Parts: sequence; C-alpha cells; structure tokens
Amino acid sequence: DAGITQSPRHKVTETGTPVTLRCHQTENHRYMYWYRQDPGHGLRLIHYSYGVKDTDKGEVSDGYSVSRSKTEDFLLTLESATSSQTSVYFCAISEEGLAGFNNEQFFGPGTRLTVL
Amino acid sequence: EDQVTQSPEALRLQEGESSSLNCSYTVSGLRGLFWYRQDPGKGPEFLFTLYSAGEEKEKERLKATLTKKESFLHITAPKPEDSATYLCAAIASGGSYIPTFGRGTSLIVHP
Repeated sequence: DAGITQSPRHKVTETGTPVTLRCHQTENHRYMYWYRQDPGHGLRLIHYSYGVKDTDKGEVSDGYSVSRSKTEDFLLTLESATSSQTSVYFCAISEEGLAGFNNEQFFGPGTRLTVL
Repeated sequence: EDQVTQSPEALRLQEGESSSLNCSYTVSGLRGLFWYRQDPGKGPEFLFTLYSAGEEKEKERLKATLTKKESFLHITAPKPEDSATYLCAAIASGGSYIPTFGRGTSLIVHP
C-alpha cells in the first residue's frame, strides 16, 4: 500500500473556526491532491500541488487554502468553517508518467469533518 | 468541458450473475482512463489504467475495456466481496493532466 496518512481521521468543529487537515506521504510523489466526497456529487477536486510551493485551484476551491512546504506534506485549511464544508476529505498522490501525464492516484484513508 | 458519466448509478446482482458497468467520457484527447474501487469508509483503490481504444486489462473477476467513447468494467461471476463503489476517471491531453472523475457505480452482490 502506498504510504499516505491523513490526520485527523475524524473532527467535529463549530462554524467559524479554522480547521487544518494534514496529508503526509512517504512515496516522494510529485503530485498531491485534496478532494471532498459528498453523496450525489462524487469526488470533487479542491486544490492540488505539482511540487513544493506549487499549487493550483480545483473546481471547488472557495473557502479553502493549501500549503506545501515539503514534498511529503500537503495541508488543507478551512479559514472559517461552514456547515456546507461538512464532508469526507481525501488526499491523493500521483507521479508523473513517462508520457508526461499523471499516473494513477493513490488515496489516503480520508478525514470525516463535521461542522456544526 | 471534460465530462465522465457512469451508469448505472447502482446495480444489484446475485452471486454468479455477470454484468458490466459503463463509463462514458467526453474529453479532448484521452491520455488515460482509470478504474478505482472504493469500499465504504475507505479511500479509492486503483484497479486499472487503459490508454488506447481496444486495450483490455484483467484482474481476477474484473476486465476493463476501452473504446473511443467509453469504457466498460465487466464483472464475471461476481462474489459478495466484489460489492463496492467503482469509479472511473479520465485524463485529457493538454492542460494540467488532472483527472476528471465520474460519480461512480454502487455495486451490491447478494449471496
């Protein structure tokens, strides 16, 4: 199994509080991603990183920020949590393939976040 | 806009009853089509990558095939342990090479 951990695994917080989720990999993969998964919507990309300090927005980035100061760590921050951000969050990693596009992704175990 | 559509949304089978899941994609120049399996409460797990029309890959009771417009995941003589949600994703040429995911097919295999 790919070495990906997420912390915390479960979190309950209140509206308006800041929350940071951590993704840690031991695979030295270049690409890291944050997704949220909600019933009826599937996996939706929040932000991704293509190297240390190199990040870009996904389709649902509003209200989220990310940082990657080391290859192995990718942090997702909810600046002021809202109830609409209650979801399951997955981190994923991938490497760049020989043809230049990204190889398959390996996913972490997920973080279940509840915002009251 | 790149789109990936999976059907059906849910599928119930009896053990041993073979069937297929569909993944239709509309992307500008397919570079790779991926299949994943997701068990409840866990992250998706990679199954297959397909690169070009006509390509097939197999793993135990699963076989993935690819045409120019869609991919199929064939499940032969399924067992209850094959119950899971199956996701497909496509990467298009150009741009950021970020995969576009379908919403998945939830498969339940009854003993």
